[in-house]
Amino acid sequence: EPEVTQTPSHQVTQMGQEVILRCVPISNHLYFYWYRQILGQKVEFLVSFYNNEISEKSEIFDDQFSVERPDGSNFTLKIRSTKLEDSAMYFCASSTRALTGELFFGEGSRLTVL
Amino acid sequence: LAKTTQPISMDSYEGQEVNITCSHNNIATNDYITWYQQFPSQGPRFIIQGYKTKVTNEVASLFIPADRKSSTLSLPRVSLSDTAVYYCLVGEGNDYKLSFGAGTTVTVRA
Repeated sequence: EPEVTQTPSHQVTQMGQEVILRCVPISNHLYFYWYRQILGQKVEFLVSFYNNEISEKSEIFDDQFSVERPDGSNFTLKIRSTKLEDSAMYFCASSTRALTGELFFGEGSRLTVL
Repeated sequence: LAKTTQPISMDSYEGQEVNITCSHNNIATNDYITWYQQFPSQGPRFIIQGYKTKVTNEVASLFIPADRKSSTLSLPRVSLSDTAVYYCLVGEGNDYKLSFGAGTTVTVRA
């Protein structure tokens, strides 16, 4: 069964460092998303991406964050200068259709900022 | 985005049917209702989606009354492995911004 894959599974970084989280969406999907979940809290929408541009972003997705689809398979989330509060599980998701909400999530990348 | 309300937690026993009701009073005409399951330290997993009446798949059923202001996810004969958080999401057809609420923590006991 096709799946969304994410790397790394866990990354530890120092505050102020840049972090890039990588995702390989399902190959025929056209819509890509990043969510985050701080430990014990709800899953929060960060950004959606379609046709090589951001479709929607939340208030969380400030100038420290950026997304990119550098080639035909990868979808990345960059945090330019990490803060302690960026520590969370980051989930990538993809979907085929814009009309419905069927999202396929990866297993997540746990980011720990020290 | 339509606001959703669902119970914080539910307890059940193996073999029982679990029904989780989600309220979405301001659901819009183009909105679909989608349920996800999440285990600890894993990404949410799609369970079922519907627009109206009843939808059934191999793992669950979704009941949606005619006014669509609520929906009920039914998990037949749960097992210990069904212990998870279940999220109800309501989203517009062209709105990519699907955010998850607090969800319902279902605990299945032996």
